[in-house]
Amino acid sequence: KNQVEQSPQSLIILEGKNCTLQCNYTVSPFSNLRWYKQDTGRGPVSLTIMTFSENTKSNGRYTATLDADTKQSSLHITASQLSDSASYICVVSHGGSQGNLIFGKGTKLSVKP
Amino acid sequence: EPEVTQTPSHQVTQMGQEVILRCVPISNHLYFYWYRQILGQKVEFLVSFYNNEISEKSEIFDDQFSVERPDGSNFTLKIRSTKLEDSAMYFCASSSRAGTTGELFFGEGSRLTVL
Repeated sequence: KNQVEQSPQSLIILEGKNCTLQCNYTVSPFSNLRWYKQDTGRGPVSLTIMTFSENTKSNGRYTATLDADTKQSSLHITASQLSDSASYICVVSHGGSQGNLIFGKGTKLSVKP
Repeated sequence: EPEVTQTPSHQVTQMGQEVILRCVPISNHLYFYWYRQILGQKVEFLVSFYNNEISEKSEIFDDQFSVERPDGSNFTLKIRSTKLEDSAMYFCASSSRAGTTGELFFGEGSRLTVL
């Protein structure tokens, strides 16, 4: 069954600290993996998209990694800010499908002052 | 910056009533999608739409649901006879590229509450 699992479910960190969120997936065929940021009650906003051949991709203070062999990805946030408080969702594109993205449940990150 | 806009932001309806959720995709995008998110659960794919027809739909998208692009700008999701379990946040998304490589831009969502 195509699934995306994320850990931890929630995380609280102090402003300025770094953190790493994890994603494991069992989606086949695989097309690409995306990380989205979703503020409460808002739509998801894309952070990164990585294809099979990409190991790492950065977007400002966000760095995503992908290990296609072990089917794992991580999102590292550097020097966290209060505005980073949100849910971070790992999404895997099912190969050959136009929009049938497989979403994880997300990691709810709270950054405290 | 171009964005996907959705209306209404929140709609409350009685069970059995028809609901239409509206979306204005980014103007040069050709691929349109509806997703839903039940409170506390994952975002789920409903349907994709291209060239005035459905490209793909999920098991959730049964006969109670329909989509159309009536005037070349709006993209609507209609639920004919709402059920309690249709209560969710509905997200519209659009993309300029086909397939799974295109970046999807999501709207802010329409919250549907069925009583």
